[in-house]
Amino acid sequence: KAGVTQTPRYLIKTRGQQVTLSCSPISGHRSVSWYQQTPGQGLQFLFEYFSETQRNKGNFPGRFSGRQFSNSRSEMNVSTLELGDSALYLCASSLFPGGQKKETQYFGPGTRLLVL
Amino acid sequence: AQSVTQLDSHVSVSEGTPVLLRCNYSSSYSPSLFWYVQHPNKGLQLLLKYTSAATLVKGINGFEAEFKKSETSFHLTKPSAHMSDAAEYFCVVSDQSDYKLSFGAGTTVTVRA
Repeated sequence: KAGVTQTPRYLIKTRGQQVTLSCSPISGHRSVSWYQQTPGQGLQFLFEYFSETQRNKGNFPGRFSGRQFSNSRSEMNVSTLELGDSALYLCASSLFPGGQKKETQYFGPGTRLLVL
Repeated sequence: AQSVTQLDSHVSVSEGTPVLLRCNYSSSYSPSLFWYVQHPNKGLQLLLKYTSAATLVKGINGFEAEFKKSETSFHLTKPSAHMSDAAEYFCVVSDQSDYKLSFGAGTTVTVRA
């Protein structure tokens, strides 16, 4: 079974631009979560989608948004990029929402975003 | 809400010697606990998880962890370190309060030849 895939793997943007990242979950998984990883803040939860509905949201500004499609693929968008948005963005999928029914989340390789 | 504290930010061991990574958690409910490993420029890979079955959990690559409720700990061990174990390790907790995963700050493991 193919794992979680994320595209693109690397991105360079400039301040003020917007970016869209994509995540394809493991086949059959309906829950997708997004995380931001930086050296200073570590791994921080962004949001989680299940069956096209956002179920949970972390403490990030409204510039960060996401959506999930009927095939469970998910995208996250960051508008008006800031230097501090430079990070590794990780996507994880599970059968059910993270933590529920003791589900394991499986992570993709991440998208490394550099904002100049 | 739940939280995790990884007690060591960096651990250095010699190849062939034991590895111990310490993790304490806080949770108001019966938690699920996980250890993930991240190699440089890679995503996170699940090593093992505890979900209220056996308190001693065996994972991949010779790792195991013991859930101790009285000490609120979930320490990760491996009897004999290999060079390929050099990576960053994350202890993670979730519970029914909000089902979010809470990550520890990570422990970087270096293995000396």
